[in-house]
Amino acid sequence: EVQLVESGGVVVQPGESLRLSCSASGFTFDDHAMHWVRQVPGKGLEWVSLISWSGESTHYAASVHGRFIISRDNTKNSLYLQMNSLGPEDTALYYCAKGFLTSTTTFFDYWGQGTLVIVSS
Amino acid sequence: DIQMTQSPSSLSASVGDRVTITCRASQGISNYLAWYQQKPGKVPRLLIYGASTLQSGVPSRFSGSGSGTEFTLTISSLQPEDVATYFCQKYMSAPLTFGGGTKVEIK
Repeated sequence: EVQLVESGGVVVQPGESLRLSCSASGFTFDDHAMHWVRQVPGKGLEWVSLISWSGESTHYAASVHGRFIISRDNTKNSLYLQMNSLGPEDTALYYCAKGFLTSTTTFFDYWGQGTLVIVSS
Repeated sequence: DIQMTQSPSSLSASVGDRVTITCRASQGISNYLAWYQQKPGKVPRLLIYGASTLQSGVPSRFSGSGSGTEFTLTISSLQPEDVATYFCQKYMSAPLTFGGGTKVEIK
């Protein structure tokens, strides 16, 4: 059974940094690109970032480019999101999502339950 | 960047009704289009990919069609358990943009 478990969401002040983690199991982690998607409660979905299976290729939404860094450790079946210079607009539930295919740009067949990040003074 | 626009933003229909949701891309995306269902308080669930391929386990009353810039998600006979918000997503290239969502309710 595929499982994605996010962690690291907390309340932080504007300007601070935070690192989210996603622990994966139930599939061959290094066969798949992985993604972060966020959602303000009650609002729509916003794709945030992706990383290829090898970690060599990454992409970011314009709203986070230059502030967030996605990474992965295939030896630990883990995905990360380093979030810097956080602002209130980054307040959201952050989902880890598994790419369906081995290609980098693909849709998502499994989602974690999400971890809530609140940026507030 | 390619923008994805869904319509309507919400709809109310009776049980048994045929429901259609539209998703338009600002540029052609071939058939690189997925649909997700998100029930209240739940995680999004993949319904359709490749514009028309039903994900395993998804009821056959759901179907997708379209190519290029215009796509539709159809529920052939709306059921109470279909109350949810539906999102389209393009995945031809990054950014992997979602549509704004369509909230489906029972009349």
